[in-house]
Amino acid sequence: KAGVTQTPRYLIKTRGQQVTLSCSPISGHRSVSWYQQTPGQGLQFLFEYFSETQRNKGNFPGRFSGRQFSNSRSEMNVSTLELGDSALYLCASSWQGASYEQYFGPGTRLTVT
Amino acid sequence: GENVEQHPSTLSVQEGDSAVIKCTYSDSASNYFPWYKQELGKRPQLIIDIRSNVGEKKDQRIAVTLNKTAKHFSLHITETQPEDSAVYFCAAVEDGGSQGNLIFGKGTKLSVKP
Repeated sequence: KAGVTQTPRYLIKTRGQQVTLSCSPISGHRSVSWYQQTPGQGLQFLFEYFSETQRNKGNFPGRFSGRQFSNSRSEMNVSTLELGDSALYLCASSWQGASYEQYFGPGTRLTVT
Repeated sequence: GENVEQHPSTLSVQEGDSAVIKCTYSDSASNYFPWYKQELGKRPQLIIDIRSNVGEKKDQRIAVTLNKTAKHFSLHITETQPEDSAVYFCAAVEDGGSQGNLIFGKGTKLSVKP
């Protein structure tokens, strides 16, 4: 089976812009979770989508949003970028949700200048 | 909500020694506890997990123990090798069940010296 893929791998944006990141889960996986990874805060949960519905949401501002398509692919969007949004954004897919094995993608490295 | 504490933040061992990383969690309803290994510049990889109905699980040189009463779980790596050098993350499922989400510890940077 092909693993989880994310595009793009690297992104440089300026403050105030918006960005869209994409995640393709492992075939058959219906749950996609997104995480923000920074050196200071570690891995922080953003949100989870299951069957096109947001099922869980972490403690992030409304500038962070996402969606899931009928083929389970997911996108996350960050609007009005701030310098503090610079991070590695990881998505992870699993069959049914967090209580099942989650497999991570390679991540998108976002730099906001 | 769930809170996961992980210790130590850094750990240095000699090749062949054992390494132990400990985590505590706050939500007694949590029932799934995975461990991830992240090598520099790579994605986190699931190395072992344990569910609340099991006290210990082993996979070759890696083992995880769970104490539900004390709400802590530990990763044990025996006969460490230089390729074990990485950051290790523990996690617990918040709210329990398949509809919860993973809450991660801050990570432990393990260095194995040849």
